[in-house]
Amino acid sequence: EPEVTQTPSHQVTQMGQEVILRCVPISNHLYFYWYRQILGQKVEFLVSFYNNEISEKSEIFDDQFSVERPDGSNFTLKIRSTKLEDSAMYFCATGTGETQYFGPGTRLLVL
Amino acid sequence: EDKVVQSPLSLVVHEGDTVTLNCSYEVTNFRSLLWYKQEKKAPTFLFMLTSSGIEKKSGRLSSILDKKELFSILNITATQTGDSAIYLCAGISNSNSGYALNFGKGTSLLVTP
Repeated sequence: EPEVTQTPSHQVTQMGQEVILRCVPISNHLYFYWYRQILGQKVEFLVSFYNNEISEKSEIFDDQFSVERPDGSNFTLKIRSTKLEDSAMYFCATGTGETQYFGPGTRLLVL
Repeated sequence: EDKVVQSPLSLVVHEGDTVTLNCSYEVTNFRSLLWYKQEKKAPTFLFMLTSSGIEKKSGRLSSILDKKELFSILNITATQTGDSAIYLCAGISNSNSGYALNFGKGTSLLVTP
């Protein structure tokens, strides 16, 4: 059964550094999403991406964040100048419509 | 502001018991409600509900939506230890262009042998 994959599984970075989180969607999916889950808190929506552009973003998704699909397969989330409060599990999700399938996540720790 | 509230927050049952998990929602221009199971990491999809009163069923799990009362339940019959997980409910609004999932905090279910 096809799955969403994410790399890396874990990332430790220093405050102020840039990180890129990568996702490989299920092949026929057209909608791509990033969510995050801070430890002990609920899953929060960051951004949705369709037809090579952002279709919706939350208040969390400010200028520090960006997404792209650089090569037609990978879907990336870039976080510039990371802050301590960016430490969280970041999930990629993909789908053909409303139903979304989640990847295993990248645990980001900002020191 | 859209809101999804799940209850109870946590639940401990014995293997073989039946459990009912609750999800109430206030979602502007409601489109659909989804249930997910989160074990160690990623939420895994269980059900999507759009119509009131139509039960969705998969094995021992079933779910139903009440659009009048803005409520959904997830039932698990004959629970097994493998059902131990956090169960997440999420709403989608028609007001959004991108099908963003608005999650509740989840119900943590522990099934003891």
